[in-house]
Amino acid sequence: EPEVTQTPSHQVTQMGQEVILRCVPISNHLYFYWYRQILGQKVEFLVSFYNNEISEKSEIFDDQFSVERPDGSNFTLKIRSTKLEDSAMYFCAGGSGSTDTQYFGPGTRLTVL
Amino acid sequence: GESVGLHLPTLSVQEGDNSIINCAYSNSASDYFIWYKQESGKGPQFIIDIRSNMDKRQGQRVTVLLNKTVKHLSLQIAATQPGDSAVYFCAENIGPGGSYIPTFGRGTSLIVHP
Repeated sequence: EPEVTQTPSHQVTQMGQEVILRCVPISNHLYFYWYRQILGQKVEFLVSFYNNEISEKSEIFDDQFSVERPDGSNFTLKIRSTKLEDSAMYFCAGGSGSTDTQYFGPGTRLTVL
Repeated sequence: GESVGLHLPTLSVQEGDNSIINCAYSNSASDYFIWYKQESGKGPQFIIDIRSNMDKRQGQRVTVLLNKTVKHLSLQIAATQPGDSAVYFCAENIGPGGSYIPTFGRGTSLIVHP
């Protein structure tokens, strides 16, 4: 059964550094999403992506964040200058339609020191 | 049960019992609701969804009930098994023009004792 994969599983970085979180969605999915979950808190929507552009983004997704699907396979989330409060689990998800079931990856744990 | 924005409650049940997890949502304009299961160290896993034009939807061992009058959603798990132990949370679809910006509840921790 196809699944969403994410790398790395754990990323440790220094405050102010750039990080890129990578996701490989299921191949026939067209809609892609990033979420984050701060330890012990709710899953929060960051951004949705369709047809090579951002569809929706939340208030969390400020100018420090960007997404790309550079090669039709990988879907990346870049944080330009990490802050301590960016420490969280980041989940990638994909789906066939805008309101269809979303399939989540296992997440990347980002720790900003 | 949980409410979007409240602290994480816990539900403990015996194996074989039925479990009911509740969720209160805030936006009467929400039109799509999803229940997710999240096991420790894993991403959320879709369980079942329901649209606002329905009151009930059944899946394998799970049933979701929607009461739009009181903005309440519940997940019923029949014959709960130890493998059902996880955090369960609901999500509601809020957004203008039908856009999909889900809002998640904090979750209910289900503990199933063998």
